[in-house]
Amino acid sequence: QKEVEQNSGPLSVPEGAIASLNCTYSDRGSQSFFWYRQYSGKSPELIMFIYSNGDKEDGRFTAQLNKASQYVSLLIRDSQPSDSATYLCAVKPMFSGGYNKLIFGAGTRLAVHP
Amino acid sequence: ETGVTQSPTHLIKTRGQQVTLRCSSQSGHNTVSWYQQALGQGPQFIFQYYREEENGRGNFPPRFSGLQFPNYSSELNVNALELDDSALYLCASSVGNTGELFFGEGSRLTVL
Repeated sequence: QKEVEQNSGPLSVPEGAIASLNCTYSDRGSQSFFWYRQYSGKSPELIMFIYSNGDKEDGRFTAQLNKASQYVSLLIRDSQPSDSATYLCAVKPMFSGGYNKLIFGAGTRLAVHP
Repeated sequence: ETGVTQSPTHLIKTRGQQVTLRCSSQSGHNTVSWYQQALGQGPQFIFQYYREEENGRGNFPPRFSGLQFPNYSSELNVNALELDDSALYLCASSVGNTGELFFGEGSRLTVL
């Protein structure tokens, strides 16, 4: 079992729709969860982080965390073609408290079509 | 832009050679971590430097080594290059260990 699992996609959504990206993780002690966006040929960019169960909203983005189910999701409302990218879910394992070791999933490719 | 700069952006080496990659961290960021991203995969943690010392390491062999300088810039050195070392090498700077990383644009290494 991979430590962080994501559906590779592509997830294709029409412009203006809600895109829902999902991620599961295996380390039950993980405390911090991140979503990074990576455009083709570019480096990852942090877009959201969440530490507590529930929802966290930032503009068009909402991160959702359910620690009991070991599940993290990212919702993108009013999707735009500029949102087309690979979205990487990352988890900070419990044992990495002293340093920035993140476990990344392989990413979900999102394609927003006009 | 994150303010993290890496050089070189692209390079080609042959198996067995050595390579040095460089990173300048964002102003005010005292922690630098390095990640390797193979094609189609997520980044994998190599190691982290804080106060010029390595304070965390992933599952990479000793031929991957690094340095951090007093101005917080950093180097990643890889000896005895193997074909599987071909990847995008990402430097990320941060303040503390929150996991909020600011990545540079990466150095793409091809080993032939």
